[in-house]
Amino acid sequence: SQQGEEDPQALSIQEGENATMNCSYKTSINNLQWYRQNSGRGLVHLILIRSNEREKHSGRLRVTLDTSKKSSSLLITASRAADTASYFCATDGSGANSKLTFGKGITLSVRP
Amino acid sequence: KAGVTQTPRYLIKTRGQQVTLSCSPISGHRSVSWYQQTPGQGLQFLFEYFSETQRNKGNFPGRFSGRQFSNSRSEMNVSTLELGDSALYLCASSPRALQETQYFGPGTRLLVL
Repeated sequence: SQQGEEDPQALSIQEGENATMNCSYKTSINNLQWYRQNSGRGLVHLILIRSNEREKHSGRLRVTLDTSKKSSSLLITASRAADTASYFCATDGSGANSKLTFGKGITLSVRP
Repeated sequence: KAGVTQTPRYLIKTRGQQVTLSCSPISGHRSVSWYQQTPGQGLQFLFEYFSETQRNKGNFPGRFSGRQFSNSRSEMNVSTLELGDSALYLCASSPRALQETQYFGPGTRLLVL
């Protein structure tokens, strides 16, 4: 099963509104990352948050991490039509044979 | 710096054939990882190479293999193709490890008929 599970699966909002996406995971992690993918192309890295961090900002993005609940949220403020994309959280396991595990993604549609 | 490049971008093969995909990482990056993306299974980790050695491996059958060259370029090979191997194959690179920001290529879309 996937390490990371995002919700909701799909989100449709109006331009200018905020979008909040959640990710839950199952095992201990070193870091949690968020990526964006436009129309089946390559992924673009958005933000990385370490397991000892609780909150991180980058431009219009705000990510929180709650390791006790094994969950993270990505907030995009003042959304734009160009934010329309699929968003994935990715976790890396600690220990040997760690791998980067992605959730199934959230499809965000921002209506102009 | 040039980004991660993958060749070819599109490929059509028939069942039973084999295929080799290529990935050139960002200059100076030594970790290269491969992923399969399908609508049903999402993004799944195949393997990671570092300094010409496979360092981490996902849960894929032995038909999926890879290698890395001394210049960090990597190839992925799939033998005896099955219909279910149709997918977008993504390559990513980073300076040292999976625990860092990954820089993805545009992917190779493989269709198996």
